[in-house]
Amino acid sequence: DQQVKQNSPSLSVQEGRISILNCDYTNSMFDYFLWYKKYPAEGPTFLISISSIKDKNEDGRFTVFLNKSAKHLSLHIVPSQPGDSAVYFCAANNPGRRALTFGSGTRLQVQP
Amino acid sequence: NAGVTQTPKFQVLKTGQSMTLQCAQDMNHEYMSWYRQDPGMGLRLIHYSVGAGITDQGEVPNGYNVSRSTTEDFPLRLLSAAPSQTSVYFCATISPGKTNSPLHFGNGTRLTVT
Repeated sequence: DQQVKQNSPSLSVQEGRISILNCDYTNSMFDYFLWYKKYPAEGPTFLISISSIKDKNEDGRFTVFLNKSAKHLSLHIVPSQPGDSAVYFCAANNPGRRALTFGSGTRLQVQP
Repeated sequence: NAGVTQTPKFQVLKTGQSMTLQCAQDMNHEYMSWYRQDPGMGLRLIHYSVGAGITDQGEVPNGYNVSRSTTEDFPLRLLSAAPSQTSVYFCATISPGKTNSPLHFGNGTRLTVT
């Protein structure tokens, strides 16, 4: 039973355009959401986060939107750059467990 | 300042062999954890520790043991390796004192069990 789902295994966009990565969750107890970026042969690195009491958080080219009623969050990257090509993981924090639940990841390829 | 260091980077084991995956951090982080990454499954928590002498199970703890005798080290032991434990293993820490601090990951150990 996957509590955090990333239904798109891969996404390809042109350089300069917007990339939108989606994530759905089922557990209403999650109180904090994070996005991680992973390059091959490296560990995931933190990208951006959002608290469940907010609906938007922006950091440079990266914006995360949270729709609590739909249990859906999305990561927008604009403009997309070839260096953004990586696997992106959505993660959610369960306050009672001191642990993150990760989605299965979306591989983003930005074409020059 | 090396951050989170995992050794070895690659390992091949035969079924039934034992080994220890090492994780060391020099950031004085109290919280340390082990995740495994499998295709289509994302990262799943194996065990975690909130400080020296304290460990707890995560989502997929079976077949793995951990101990935390120092703040710096959090080794993961496979007592009798099985092909189902073929995976990429990541150690991760959290910096203290700030609610919802993000995880800092090591670069992983790729384990193959034949």
